[in-house]
This record gives sequence, structure tokens and C-alpha cells, in this order.
Amino acid sequence: EVQLVESGGGLVQPGGSLRLSCAASGFTVSSNYMSWVRQAPGKGLEWVSVIYSGGSTYYADSVKGRFTISRDNSKNTLYLQMNSLRAEDTAVYYCARSRWIFGVAQPWGQGTLVTVSS
Amino acid sequence: NFMLTQPHSVSESPGKTVTISCTRSSGSIASNYVQWYQQRPGSAPTTVIYEDNQRPSGVPDRFSGSIDSSSNSASLTISGLKTEDEADYYCQSYDSSNHWVFGGGTKLTVL
Repeated sequence: EVQLVESGGGLVQPGGSLRLSCAASGFTVSSNYMSWVRQAPGKGLEWVSVIYSGGSTYYADSVKGRFTISRDNSKNTLYLQMNSLRAEDTAVYYCARSRWIFGVAQPWGQGTLVTVSS
Repeated sequence: NFMLTQPHSVSESPGKTVTISCTRSSGSIASNYVQWYQQRPGSAPTTVIYEDNQRPSGVPDRFSGSIDSSSNSASLTISGLKTEDEADYYCQSYDSSNHWVFGGGTKLTVL
């Protein structure tokens, strides 16, 4: 079964760091385009970052310089390292797979909640 | 960059047909693919339409997508509405760097 399972969310103080994981099964992370999307409480979807199959990485302006997307091929897992966290980063973070740059986003993970608060 | 504007909410009765619009603020709607996502309360999004009008396997043919260049908008049409269709729906396209741009979302109420 093709599946994504996120983990690593939690409560963190402003200025702190957190690393999210997205474990894949049924397909190879490194052969796909993997994205992170977030959703603040009661708000809409916001694209955060993407890593291409070739390894290129891109970020939304709101997280550029603070977040880093990466993957571990041996663990077939996608990561999002989040540093210098702000209250406005509070959201549910989802990972999603696309087979090519414009491909259908499927599957999506179940999401992991990140709360930035003192 | 451009924005995708959706109605905040729509409502319709079971068995009827509803259309949700997604209007692009600048640039041609036809210049990049449009996807549509369904998000039920408390759940992750799922794709119901990709590449403007394609349905992933498992999505019923009651769901259809289209592009209208004259209004510079995309539309998601759901026919034969069921109570299980009640959800938030988001359109998404791509900017000049091929990164995702989302619409604000539309809450569909089936009453």
C-alpha cells in the first residue's frame, strides 16, 4: 500500500527547532517529487517546500532560510528541519507525493501538528 | 505572483449539482494545470481532480473539472450530491517557478 506517515510535531517555544519526518511505504521517496504543505488552525492550505527527484529544493518565502527539506534514501523518509520557529508557523504539516512536477499529489500523509508558543 | 480566488462557501441539496469556481488574478488559467483537493473535517486533503480535468482512480465520475479561459477560471462540478461530499475544497495551480499556489478554499454544505 502506498502510504505516508508524518511524525515529529509537538509544542516548541518561539525561536526553537523541530524536525518533522514523513515515512513512505509502497514507493521510493527519492524517485518522486515530495512536498510539505501546512494548514494553520482554521485556515487554508499553504505550500511550504518541495524536493525534486533530482535533489533540487525550493521553499516558500515565509520559511526560506529557516526551514530545510531533505530525504534519507536508506530510510525512505522525507524530513523538514524547522529552525527559528515563530508563532505563525503553528499549523498541521502534511507531506505529499507527486510522480512528476505537475503530477497528481497522491498520497498525502495524515498530518502532524506543530504548535509554537511560550 | 497571482492569486486564486474561490467563494468562501456554497450550499446545495442532496442529489443536485454544484459548481465551485477558482479565478486566477493574473496570467492565463490555461497556462498551468489546476488540481482540486477535498478535505473533510479533521482529515488530510485528498486529490479529486488533477491536470485540470483528470480524476484519480477511486474518485467517482460525479466529480469533474474544467477550465474557462473567457473568465480565467477553473471549476469543480459535483453532480448527484451526497452528504459525504460535504467538505472544504481547494484549487491549486503553479507559479512561474512551478511551485504550488492554493486558493483560499470553499466550504461545501450539503443540506
